[in-house]
Amino acid sequence: GDSVTQMEGPVTLSEEAFLTINCTYTATGYPSLFWYVQYPGEGLQLLLKATKADDKGSNKGFEATYRKETTSFHLEKGSVQVSDSAVYFCALTRTSGTYKYIFGTGTRLKVLA
Amino acid sequence: DAGVIQSPRHEVTEMGQEVTLRCKPISGHDYLFWYRQTMMRGLELLIYFNNNVPIDDSGMPEDRFSAKMPNASFSTLKIQPSEPRDSAVYFCASSLTSGGTDTQYFGPGTRLTVL
Repeated sequence: GDSVTQMEGPVTLSEEAFLTINCTYTATGYPSLFWYVQYPGEGLQLLLKATKADDKGSNKGFEATYRKETTSFHLEKGSVQVSDSAVYFCALTRTSGTYKYIFGTGTRLKVLA
Repeated sequence: DAGVIQSPRHEVTEMGQEVTLRCKPISGHDYLFWYRQTMMRGLELLIYFNNNVPIDDSGMPEDRFSAKMPNASFSTLKIQPSEPRDSAVYFCASSLTSGGTDTQYFGPGTRLTVL
């Protein structure tokens, strides 16, 4: 069945370092792909999304490109800040079935000043 | 819009007690989701509603859990009797549709501790 696999954390970086959080998926058809972010003590919120192959989602300096050939949607940011410390979830929406959202297990990012 | 509202934010109770969690979705959203988040199991979907009707409750762990949505602006998740293993953060989310390109909007969560 459809699934999302993302790298285990925690990921610890120094401020201004480059960030990559890997996400790969398995799906039939053409799912939409999402990154959600969860700040401490809060619910998840959408960070960015891409709805078809080769689309690039971007927001707040974060980017991710929908790569169908490698079934990946890796999250990147060129220069992280302490305020980016959070848990990041990769997700997809299936093309069949009634409930369509599948979330990854989350990757915790800690940015040190 | 105020976003998804959940209450209470924190709940501490003793084993065997009844617990009721509440959620108000974003106005106009037709879908409402209840999730549970734990360190061990991550984010789990418990149940979701479409136009106040439960569509899929296969994620509800056992009969001690029940959820209702009496109208478009209110839903409850009830645990009776509660057990220590129910300790988790419970999130409510709403969306315009059940998938496709639609964003899910999450509430701030209710942190439940069962002693």
